[in-house]
Amino acid sequence: ETGVTQTPRHLVMGMTNKKSLKCEQHLGHNAMYWYKQSAKKPLELMFVYSLEERVENNSVPSRFSPECPNSSHLFLHLHTLQPEDSALYLCASSQDTGTGKSGYTFGSGTRLTVV
Amino acid sequence: KNEVEQSPQNLTAQEGEFITINCSYSVGISALHWLQQHPGGGIVSLFMLSSGKKKHGRLIATINIQEKHSSLHITASHPRDSAVYICAVSGQGAQKLVFGQGTRLTINP
Repeated sequence: ETGVTQTPRHLVMGMTNKKSLKCEQHLGHNAMYWYKQSAKKPLELMFVYSLEERVENNSVPSRFSPECPNSSHLFLHLHTLQPEDSALYLCASSQDTGTGKSGYTFGSGTRLTVV
Repeated sequence: KNEVEQSPQNLTAQEGEFITINCSYSVGISALHWLQQHPGGGIVSLFMLSSGKKKHGRLIATINIQEKHSSLHITASHPRDSAVYICAVSGQGAQKLVFGQGTRLTINP
C-alpha cells in the first residue's frame, strides 16, 4: 500500500456505460494527477489538480471528466468510451512546491477494458 | 523524438549480474525520477535526484546535468528485481512528469 488508493482495480465496461474511477490519498499532498498507460506507450498525463483547482487538461477527450471534490479525493468519470480507451489508468499525488522537485506517490492503477 | 529516451528497451540478465539502465533527456529539468513498475501495474518511486548520486540498498542512481543523462544501476541483481524501470523528468517549476518508454528488466535465476 503506497498511500494512494485506487478503486476499482479492474473494470470492464461497454461503450454506452457510465462509470467512475476513484483515487484517494491521505498523505497531505496538495496535487493529484491522472495518467494513462496504453500498451507499449509511455505514461501520458491527462489531468492535474493543485489545491482542488484543475491546472492542466492535456487535450483529453470530453468523454473523460475529472472531479476533485477535496484535496484527498480525485475521480475520473467515464462515458461513451471507445475500445481504444482500454488502458491502465494511474492516479498519483505530490506536494507541489512550485519548484518541480516534488516526490510522487502512485496508486496501483485501474485496468480498464472497453468492450 | 521523445523528450526522454531510455536504453535498452529490454534487458535480460542472470542473477548476480550488475545492471545499468540509461536515460537521456533533451529539456531543462528540475528533477529526474526513477520509477519501478511491477506486472500488476502499480508504480513505486525509487529515486528523485537533481544532481550527483543517490544510493538505496542495491540500487544506485546518478545524474550528469551537463550531459542531460542519468543511469540506474542494480548491484547483485535478483529475480525479484524483474520489472519495468521508468525514467521521468519534471520541468523547471512544472507540476507534471514526462516519461520515458521504460526498460523491461528480466533477471533469470
